Amino acid sequence: DAGITQSPRHKVTETGTPVTLRCHQTENHRYMYWYRQDPGHGLRLIHYSYGVKDTDKGEVSDGYSVSRSKTEDFLLTLESATSSQTSVYFCAISEPARQLYGYTFGSGTRLTVV
Amino acid sequence: QKEVEQDPGPLSVPEGAIVSLNCTYSNSAFQYFMWYRQYSRKGPELLMYTYSSGNKEDGRFTAQVDKSSKYISLFIRDSQPSDSATYLCAMGPGGSYIPTFGRGTSLIVHP
Repeated sequence: DAGITQSPRHKVTETGTPVTLRCHQTENHRYMYWYRQDPGHGLRLIHYSYGVKDTDKGEVSDGYSVSRSKTEDFLLTLESATSSQTSVYFCAISEPARQLYGYTFGSGTRLTVV
Repeated sequence: QKEVEQDPGPLSVPEGAIVSLNCTYSNSAFQYFMWYRQYSRKGPELLMYTYSSGNKEDGRFTAQVDKSSKYISLFIRDSQPSDSATYLCAMGPGGSYIPTFGRGTSLIVHP
C-alpha cells in the first residue's frame, strides 16, 4: 500500500514474550491507528495517535501499549503475548480533515502466538 | 446489540448479477457513511463515502443511505469475479470522531 508499511508481515512468537509491530508512513499524516481483525469481530481499535507523543486507548487496549516518537512511526507492543492476541493487525493513517472518511490501511501483520 | 450490524455472508452470486450489500445501525448521530473493500490478505481500501442521506454513484458502484430507517446499502452492477472480496461498512462520527466498522460481508462472484 502506497505510503504505509507494516513490519513484520508475519510473525510467530511464544506466549509470554514481548512483541513490537511497526507502522511506517511517508504521507506525513498526523493521525495513526492500530486495529486488530478477527473472524466474527471485524476491525477493533486498539490504540490511536493524533500526533507525536499524543496517544489514546481504543476499545481493546488491554495488553497493548503504543509509542509515537516521530510523525512517521507508530509502534504497537504486546507486553507479554498471549494466544488471544493471535490476530491480523492493521495500521491506518488519516489526515485530520478526512478522519471520518479517509483512512488508508497498511497490508497488515499476521501474528501467531503459540 | 452492536452499533453497526452487517451480515458476514458469504454471499455467492453469478457473474453479471446485481449485488446488494447492507448495514444497519443504531446511532442516529451518524452522518458519514463509508464502504471499504478488502481483498484476501490485504488491508481494507476505501471504496466510497457519503455524507448524510441520499445516493452516490461511482461507475458500477452505488452507495445509498436511508437515515430514517438507519440502513445503508452498496449496490454493485454487472458484478465481476474481481469484485470477490469482503466489504466493510463504516460510519461516524463516533467517540473521538473515530468511525465504527461493521464486521464485513464476504462476497463471492463466480464465473
